[in-house]
Amino acid sequence: QKEVEQDPGPLSVPEGAIVSLNCTYSNSAFQYFMWYRQYSRKGPELLMYTYSSGNKEDGRFTAQVDKSSKYISLFIRDSQPSDSATYLCAMSEGAQKLVFGQGTRLTINP
Amino acid sequence: DGGITQSPKYLFRKEGQNVTLSCEQNLNHDAMYWYRQDPGQGLRLIYYSQIVNDFQKGDIAEGYSVSREKKESFPLTVTSAQKNPTAFYLCASSISALSGNTIYFGEGSWLTVV
Repeated sequence: QKEVEQDPGPLSVPEGAIVSLNCTYSNSAFQYFMWYRQYSRKGPELLMYTYSSGNKEDGRFTAQVDKSSKYISLFIRDSQPSDSATYLCAMSEGAQKLVFGQGTRLTINP
Repeated sequence: DGGITQSPKYLFRKEGQNVTLSCEQNLNHDAMYWYRQDPGQGLRLIYYSQIVNDFQKGDIAEGYSVSREKKESFPLTVTSAQKNPTAFYLCASSISALSGNTIYFGEGSWLTVV
């Protein structure tokens, strides 16, 4: 079993829809949770960063962490074609080594 | 502008050759990393360095080598011992090796074996 599981998709939704992206993990020691967005043939860019459980909101993006269920989510409201990208979850225990999910390829259709 | 610069963007290698990918950062970050990305497999850690003149193997270090002679630079050499080197290579850095620091990525280098 992989430490971090992420549905690779692809996921295709119409513009304006609410998107939910999810990751599950097995290591209960993970404390730091991140979401990266990666456009085609580009390096990943940090989108959201959360410590421990709870919610964090930034504009149209909301990150949720449920440590009891070992489950994290990224919600995108009012999705735009420019949100089309691959979304990677990442997490760590606190040391510098991040563990990444496989990435979910998302397409927002105009 | 501050950031991480990788070069070249695209590189072709003949079988049996070593190639070196450059990574330079001007963020004054202590820690630097090399990842490999293959379709459907996410990012896998090759090597990382917490400080100058020190580095550790990641999950897939075989066939790769690195050096960290300067804080700003962390070049990766893909040796002929790497059996399947065709991939997208990402360099990254973080402020330090302390807990919770987020990692920032460069734009990546595409390596193709011909």
